[in-house]
Amino acid sequence: GEDVEQSLFLSVREGDSSVINCTYTDSSSTYLYWYKQEPGAGLQLLTYIFSNMDMKQDQRLTVLLNKKDKHLSLRIADTQTGDSAIYFCAESGGSYIPTFGRGTSLIVHP
Amino acid sequence: DADVTQTPRNRITKTGKRIMLECSQTKGHDRMYWYRQDPGLGLRLIYYSFDVKDINKGEISDGYSVSRQAQAKFSLSLESAIPNQTALYFCATSGLQGDQPQHFGDGTRLSIL
Repeated sequence: GEDVEQSLFLSVREGDSSVINCTYTDSSSTYLYWYKQEPGAGLQLLTYIFSNMDMKQDQRLTVLLNKKDKHLSLRIADTQTGDSAIYFCAESGGSYIPTFGRGTSLIVHP
Repeated sequence: DADVTQTPRNRITKTGKRIMLECSQTKGHDRMYWYRQDPGLGLRLIYYSFDVKDINKGEISDGYSVSRQAQAKFSLSLESAIPNQTALYFCATSGLQGDQPQHFGDGTRLSIL
């Protein structure tokens, strides 16, 4: 079946850029998503990219997609302590049911 | 008010008890989902429903059942709870179009002793 892989932890210093990486196996993936989960809350959609795009930028967030390598990344510029959370990568294909990665815990320290 | 509301937010119960987790939404979405989240395992799909008459098993449906009472309501039941069902449970909804992302409730933290 489809699989989505992410590293479990990332630690960065406040003000630096964070890059969270994700790989997936489903070659029919149509939509790729990044969600953020803060403590005690559900997942909130941060951004998503259609598979025919290779980049999407939204304020401090930049998503890069390498479809050939099935690699997705989320870059957060000028990372703040409020960005500390778990970030989930997800992909969906024809079934429109997303497959989620295990989540990357981003820790931002002063 | 939250678009996707889960009740209860927290529940502690004993092995063997029947438990129902409820989810209601005001987004008007046809599709609803139940997931469980365990540390280090991410989200795993339990059941999903694409409309009121449609119920489908996810990857970990054993030990769970669901009911889609209306477009806006989707409940998850544990008929006889066991300790390894201790987890954080999320309800989510989505629209019909392919690029519609999921919208999540704030979760129910369930502990089974």
